[in-house]
Amino acid sequence: DTEVTQTPKHLVMGMTNKKSLKCEQHMGHRAMYWYKQKAKKPPELMFVYSYEKLSINESVPSRFSPECPNSSLLNLHLHALQPEDSALYLCASRESTGELFFGEGSRLTVL
Amino acid sequence: KNEVEQSPQNLTAQEGEFITINCSYSVGISALHWLQQHPGGGIVSLFMLSSGKKKHGRLIATINIQEKHSSLHITASHPRDSAVYICAVASGGGADGLTFGKGTHLIIQP
Repeated sequence: DTEVTQTPKHLVMGMTNKKSLKCEQHMGHRAMYWYKQKAKKPPELMFVYSYEKLSINESVPSRFSPECPNSSLLNLHLHALQPEDSALYLCASRESTGELFFGEGSRLTVL
Repeated sequence: KNEVEQSPQNLTAQEGEFITINCSYSVGISALHWLQQHPGGGIVSLFMLSSGKKKHGRLIATINIQEKHSSLHITASHPRDSAVYICAVASGGGADGLTFGKGTHLIIQP
């Protein structure tokens, strides 16, 4: 299994909702990433988890809350988001060689 | 902070043409990645380079560490190669995130 699986693929939520994005990989990679990508822009790093511990938080607002329950799973909890948070959220994992594997992304729309 | 510049930003070519996309960066890196993204889709990693040259099918990637420059070549281009190609660099050896270029939007016309 050489996949990074993200669910859901599409999510529409209101500004008062609480939802979560999920990312899963079974390749034994110990570094996992959340990126945010707006249309026609490159991805922006949000969070890095290394060995299930948060190692980088790129000054992301607290309405985004990451969680790494185990070495295969990465969640991004969403609460009280703003319309400008609408974007494609990409998860990636990194092999020990440095090679990266990206998921298909979760496209989020905040109304 | 590393600055990553890609050129061209947009490229339209005819099927069969040889394509070159360039990437330059400002400070030393541990690895350079070439990534492909189709419209509305996720990202696929094409190559990871720290030196020399790699080839996979019709794709070739080269890197010159001294000149801080990399190129991605596509031979015998095909409409299915139409995508955004992104150069990204890793500056550290650990789990640091990548610094991305702005991407090259490639369209191959039949």
